[in-house]
Amino acid sequence: QKEVEQDPGPLSVPEGAIVSLNCTYSNSAFQYFMWYRQYSRKGPELLMYTYSSGNKEDGRFTAQVDKSSKYISLFIRDSQPSDSATYLCAMSAPLLSNQGGKLIFGQGTELSVKP
Amino acid sequence: DAGVTQSPTHLIKTRGQQVTLRCSPKSGHDTVSWYQQALGQGPQFIFQYYEEEERQRGNFPDRFSGHQFPNYSSELNVNALLLGDSALYLCASSPTGQPARTFGSGTRLTVV
Repeated sequence: QKEVEQDPGPLSVPEGAIVSLNCTYSNSAFQYFMWYRQYSRKGPELLMYTYSSGNKEDGRFTAQVDKSSKYISLFIRDSQPSDSATYLCAMSAPLLSNQGGKLIFGQGTELSVKP
Repeated sequence: DAGVTQSPTHLIKTRGQQVTLRCSPKSGHDTVSWYQQALGQGPQFIFQYYEEEERQRGNFPDRFSGHQFPNYSSELNVNALLLGDSALYLCASSPTGQPARTFGSGTRLTVV
């Protein structure tokens, strides 16, 4: 079993739709949760960063973390064609732990927003 | 402000050869890590450097080695290249103690 599971998609939605992207994980030591966006032939770009459980909102993006269920989500409101990319969830244990310092990524979900 | 810069952007090598990839971290960042991303997969952690020492390593063989210089820039070396080493190699940097990473655009390595 992978430490982080993410549905690879592809996911295709019409412009203006609400998009829900999800990851599950098995390592209870994870405390830092991130979402990255990766356009073709580019490196990942940090979208959202959350510590422990709770919600965080930034414009059209909302990140949710439920540590009790080991489940994280990214919601995109009013999706735009420019949101078409691969979305990667990433997690990290506390930096001072023997697992800290490295990000564990999901496989990535390929999203396409059609005009 | 330049972000993380990597060179070269593309590279073609023959099986058995050696390769060196280079990375300059974002200004103000002193921790550098390297990731390998195969096509259609998420990045896999190779190792992390801080204060010119390898601090943590992922499940990669000793053929993968690295170095960090006093100016925080870094190199990734891969010896005895295999076809399976073909991937996008990503460098990421962060300030000390910050888990979120800033990534470069990567070096696409093709081994033939």
